[in-house]
Amino acid sequence: GESVGLHLPTLSVQEGDNSIINCAYSNSASDYFIWYKQESGKGPQFIIDIRSNMDKRQGQRVTVLLNKTVKHLSLQIAATQPGDSAVYFCAENTGYSSASKIIFGSGTRLSIRP
Amino acid sequence: EADIYQTPRYLVIGTGKKITLECSQTMGHDKMYWYQQDPGMELHLIHYSYGVNSTEKGDLSSESTVSRIRTEHFPLTLESARPSHTSQYLCASSESLGREKLFFGSGTQLSVL
Repeated sequence: GESVGLHLPTLSVQEGDNSIINCAYSNSASDYFIWYKQESGKGPQFIIDIRSNMDKRQGQRVTVLLNKTVKHLSLQIAATQPGDSAVYFCAENTGYSSASKIIFGSGTRLSIRP
Repeated sequence: EADIYQTPRYLVIGTGKKITLECSQTMGHDKMYWYQQDPGMELHLIHYSYGVNSTEKGDLSSESTVSRIRTEHFPLTLESARPSHTSQYLCASSESLGREKLFFGSGTQLSVL
């Protein structure tokens, strides 16, 4: 069935180090992927997206990598800061029509060690 | 900054009460969504709408109902709340079909006693 699953429920990183959050998806028809950041008490916020015709996309301190061969997605955060503490969700869009829908994974909590 | 608003922010009610969670967006987005989320867990889609007078059920079975009489407004109603409805409810909207970047509200934390 369709699912988007994260490999690790929690990740603890030293401040200043790079963080890597992984995500696996199972729907080979998915063609658009998004990472969201959700801070405590808030709704998810868009971080970065990538289309299936790309394998890498960079933003400010963040990079998303897409490996369609193994259906794997990762979010890399450079020089992790305390403000990066949050739960991170990957999400996939399963189509390009009015019937498309967004499927979210279960989330990875990122905590920063001082 | 997304212009999507949810009220109330927190709600504590007794079993059997009827409640309506409000969601409004000022971005003119056609698609709107309701998600249910337990703390630190994934988001489950319970309702969505493609536009005015369009409503669809999501993947998670829900006893709630929604309406879409105006583009900007997408309220969710529980006719008779139960403790099992205790959760966070998140409203979202998006502007395009296919490449759907969702904009979320801050959520309503519902507690049913």
